[in-house]
Amino acid sequence: DAKTTQPTSMDCAEGRAANLPCNHSTISGNEYVYWYRQIHSQGPQYIIHGLKNNETNEMASLIITEDRKSSTLILPHATLRDTAVYYCIVNLRGGSNYKLTFGKGTLLTVNP
Amino acid sequence: KAGVTQTPRYLIKTRGQQVTLSCSPISGHRSVSWYQQTPGQGLQFLFEYFSETQRNKGNFPGRFSGRQFSNSRSEMNVSTLELGDSALYLCASATGEWNNEQFFGPGTRLTVL
Repeated sequence: DAKTTQPTSMDCAEGRAANLPCNHSTISGNEYVYWYRQIHSQGPQYIIHGLKNNETNEMASLIITEDRKSSTLILPHATLRDTAVYYCIVNLRGGSNYKLTFGKGTLLTVNP
Repeated sequence: KAGVTQTPRYLIKTRGQQVTLSCSPISGHRSVSWYQQTPGQGLQFLFEYFSETQRNKGNFPGRFSGRQFSNSRSEMNVSTLELGDSALYLCASATGEWNNEQFFGPGTRLTVL
């Protein structure tokens, strides 16, 4: 079973920030939080990952709470092309654990 | 760099047949993982190969198998196809080292009649 809980769906207005929450209360100390997204009929796309510090890249920001039991993915200026299912995944990094366990994810719909 | 490529993109088979799907990873990537996606079960991990060895395995029956070649290209085979094997099969590649940011291909849509 997936170790994360996400809302089933969310809406966001184009140009506004999209904040996608994820609960991972059973995360262990050496597990990372990963975010992927899947646009309809395409393969999943890696977005960002983090351990305990906040992270930012050209696509998004990841905010992880101090107790690491939850996180938020932020798309700062959502566009229509950001409409997708967003998956929050908790996983060890590297080594022999190249197996991502996908949950149901959050369907983000960006509206014009 | 070219992305992950999968062939064929679409495939129709009948029950009892077998099928082979192919995946070419990003140049320099040594890890190839396979996933099955269905509307009912979502995205499920099948197996992962690294340097021609199966390193991780999901909970699928033995009808599902794979292999990896010395150039890191990978194939997966499904024997004795069942209707429930109809799915999108996704391949993902990664360097295989201390990161598991995986890069997914477009998938092969398999329909079993």
